[in-house]
Amino acid sequence: LAKTTQPISMDSYEGQEVNITCSHNNIATNDYITWYQQFPSQGPRFIIQGYKTKVTNEVASLFIPADRKSSTLSLPRVSLSDTAVYYCLSWTPSGNTGKLIFGQGTTLQVKP
Amino acid sequence: DAGVTQSPTHLIKTRGQQVTLRCSPKSGHDTVSWYQQALGQGPQFIFQYYEEEERQRGNFPDRFSGHQFPNYSSELNVNALLLGDSALYLCASSPNYLTSYEQYFGPGTRLTVT
Repeated sequence: LAKTTQPISMDSYEGQEVNITCSHNNIATNDYITWYQQFPSQGPRFIIQGYKTKVTNEVASLFIPADRKSSTLSLPRVSLSDTAVYYCLSWTPSGNTGKLIFGQGTTLQVKP
Repeated sequence: DAGVTQSPTHLIKTRGQQVTLRCSPKSGHDTVSWYQQALGQGPQFIFQYYEEEERQRGNFPDRFSGHQFPNYSSELNVNALLLGDSALYLCASSPNYLTSYEQYFGPGTRLTVT
């Protein structure tokens, strides 16, 4: 599975759009990019997954350029409750499908 | 609809002892994975169970073992506890073994080894 790299921490203010970039230079052809969110004292929660271009759901958007060497998670108009750790992972639909490999994640602090 | 449940919530054990953690998957899910999360780190994959068999395993010693029951619930056993085993142990379930990118995590069991 491709190794992903993301910033350790980010700060933002309520109402702003937050973009968290993840680097995955050696992503394999079959790999998907998946993002999870984790609040303190809770298990991670799936946010979004994509392969290429743009994916949007009720929580976030995910942008993956054509070369797929990076991706950006976009959180629109964040609130204090979006303060959490965000993990970028690569996932392949064959082989070790159940093995999610988490890095250290990006700690997002939203300020009032 | 209950999500993933884990028991106990907290546990304190002494070095050398053995511990069993329990997990009930989300309704309709048949695949269970276990993760260890040390303080300040991301979760680390331990193993995954499907159809009562261990299907995948992470880089953990044989002291870590598991079991899945016919009702899809699962147990994680750790023998000969070390201080370094102190962590949050997370159970995750998914509805389909072959598309396990979306895993539903429980709240975890906080294990402290003294």
